[in-house]
Amino acid sequence: DAGVIQSPRHEVTEMGQEVTLRCKPISGHNSLFWYRQTMMRGLELLIYFNNNVPIDDSGMPEDRFSAKMPNASFSTLKIQPSEPRDSAVYFCASSLYALEAFFGQGTRLTVV
Amino acid sequence: GENVEQHPSTLSVQEGDSAVIKCTYSDSASNYFPWYKQELGKGPQLIIDIRSNVGEKKDQRIAVTLNKTAKHFSLHITETQPEDSAVYFCAASRANAGKSTFGDGTTLTVKP
Repeated sequence: DAGVIQSPRHEVTEMGQEVTLRCKPISGHNSLFWYRQTMMRGLELLIYFNNNVPIDDSGMPEDRFSAKMPNASFSTLKIQPSEPRDSAVYFCASSLYALEAFFGQGTRLTVV
Repeated sequence: GENVEQHPSTLSVQEGDSAVIKCTYSDSASNYFPWYKQELGKGPQLIIDIRSNVGEKKDQRIAVTLNKTAKHFSLHITETQPEDSAVYFCAASRANAGKSTFGDGTTLTVKP
């Protein structure tokens, strides 16, 4: 397996624009997680899915953020409208039965 | 919910010395404790994990100890090498029950 695949690797966008981050988890994994990493706040869990169903979205900062998992092999994290304070590295991770989490390479988002 | 505290936040050692990173957790029902290493520009990667039915686990130069009574666990790296320089995260979770809670990370620097 190629591991967790995220796209794009880097995204630069202007404030107010919509941003969509994509993730393909490892085949067979039943849990998917979206994290945000910044120097100030560390690694924050935004939302996680179990069997494609959102279980806990308490970490989603505000209504500008939304996440979907239409099937077991794909998830998106959308920010609309984006703001400079959303600049961070966003990681997607997947796991089987909440054990070892396999992280993607991350998407570095810069909102100018 | 679970709360994980990690210390120290930064650690600098001389090559060949040992490094110890400590974490405490609050949820006595947590039973899975992984450690992740994050290198620059990459996502965190599991280096060792321990379940609550054992007190210690070792893998070459890396070992983890768990004290369930005191609710703390530690990562020990012996004979450190410059390539051990990275950010290390501890985490705690209930296996099969969803998300892991991560510590804030320790930046380890090994000086040649």
